[in-house]
Amino acid sequence: GENVEQHPSTLSVQEGDSAVIKCTYSDSASNYFPWYKQELGKGPQLIIDIRSNVGEKKDQRIAVTLNKTAKHFSLHITETQPEDSAVYFCAPTQETSGSRLTFGEGTQLTVNP
Amino acid sequence: GAGVSQTPSNKVTEKGKYVELRCDPISGHTALYWYRQSLGQGPEFLIYFQGTGAADDSGLPNDRFFAVRPEGSVSTLKIQRTERGDSAVYLCASSRNRGDEQYFGPGTRLTVT
Repeated sequence: GENVEQHPSTLSVQEGDSAVIKCTYSDSASNYFPWYKQELGKGPQLIIDIRSNVGEKKDQRIAVTLNKTAKHFSLHITETQPEDSAVYFCAPTQETSGSRLTFGEGTQLTVNP
Repeated sequence: GAGVSQTPSNKVTEKGKYVELRCDPISGHTALYWYRQSLGQGPEFLIYFQGTGAADDSGLPNDRFFAVRPEGSVSTLKIQRTERGDSAVYLCASSRNRGDEQYFGPGTRLTVT
């Protein structure tokens, strides 16, 4: 099965700084790479995703970059705000698997005002 | 519109008891997923329904766990002879079709004493 690692496990930044979270995976057949945000007491919410035929995708302050050769992808958040504080999960997936998601262990991001 | 809802939000039960957890997916979503999230971990896949049938139940940990979706909408996760190790947040997600974005509910926190 897929082995997923996220780094760092915790990240603390000042408001306005950038944050980068890296996800490393083992299954070379993975072809769908989403990032989820989970706030306290809520379920995970998809914030950005990328497929294996694209190297980078950006949506306002959030971007995802993919290095399929090295089997890792990263979440980039610029101009961080206190409301970005949450746990972030990567979930690299083989789309033919029926879309069962294999989540990393999560990164606790804290944005200090 | 209404998102995925789960009831109850919290459930405390004694070791050895039977519990049922309910999931109401987004109307019209054909795919439904159950995940389990232990404290400080990412969600782990349990079972996936396409319509009324369980298309993938490979994540169920043992035969004490069972899930149904008799009319292709509401799903119930059933746990027999609960153990303390079953304590976790049980998350439900639905998607319009297999492979589409998964929308998560807020989860049911199960505590087995």
